[in-house]
Amino acid sequence: DIQMTQSPSSLSASVGDRVTITCRASQSISSYLNWYQQKPGKAPKLLIYATSTLQSGVPSRFSGGGSGTDFTLTISSLQPEDFATYYCQQSYDTFSFGPGTKVDIK
Amino acid sequence: QVQLQESGPGLVKPSQTLSLICTVSGGSISSGDYYWSWIRQPPGKGLEWIGYIYYTGSTYYNPSLRSRLTISMDTSMNQFSLQLSSVTAADTAVYYCARIAIVGVVKKFDSWGQGTLVTVSS
Repeated sequence: DIQMTQSPSSLSASVGDRVTITCRASQSISSYLNWYQQKPGKAPKLLIYATSTLQSGVPSRFSGGGSGTDFTLTISSLQPEDFATYYCQQSYDTFSFGPGTKVDIK
Repeated sequence: QVQLQESGPGLVKPSQTLSLICTVSGGSISSGDYYWSWIRQPPGKGLEWIGYIYYTGSTYYNPSLRSRLTISMDTSMNQFSLQLSSVTAADTAVYYCARIAIVGVVKKFDSWGQGTLVTVSS
């Protein structure tokens, strides 16, 4: 099984901040890494797939990078609607999710 | 635009079988471009992939749940279902159904149901 970890587990930031979340896989997953945003009481929403491809309708302030075992999600200028929990997910070998990173207001 | 909706009992007794249905509208589960999947989220915790079914009827399950799990589909009703047997309190979670889009070798969970809370308690 491929295990996913994320850091930090939570962070506090202000509107307009640049935020970066890191995701690490227990083995190489090439570029088969997706990112999701989840708000309280809601289903997750796909933001980025295949490491760096923005899902249709997702704002361009979201970007992704990395390869192999280490990946990042960056929000270039945090907006009020971006306060949420973010999950990475690998699709290299079936599927597994990271534990999540909660982004809240400083 | 495809929509998914989970339905089923919100309360299940320990040792019994949890059964949920996902009804898909705005798209066909008989399309070869997608897998149809279940994911769960215990209260206050992260996401766990449960398994998926393809239009051919082939399935793939999370090894940690395989011995208790059945996912099936009814193409005439455009539905797929989840059965999890011998449940315990650890199976209490919000259960989501989701569509997995297959884009070349890339797979992504691109559409989700709203989720349904299932509590295991006597």
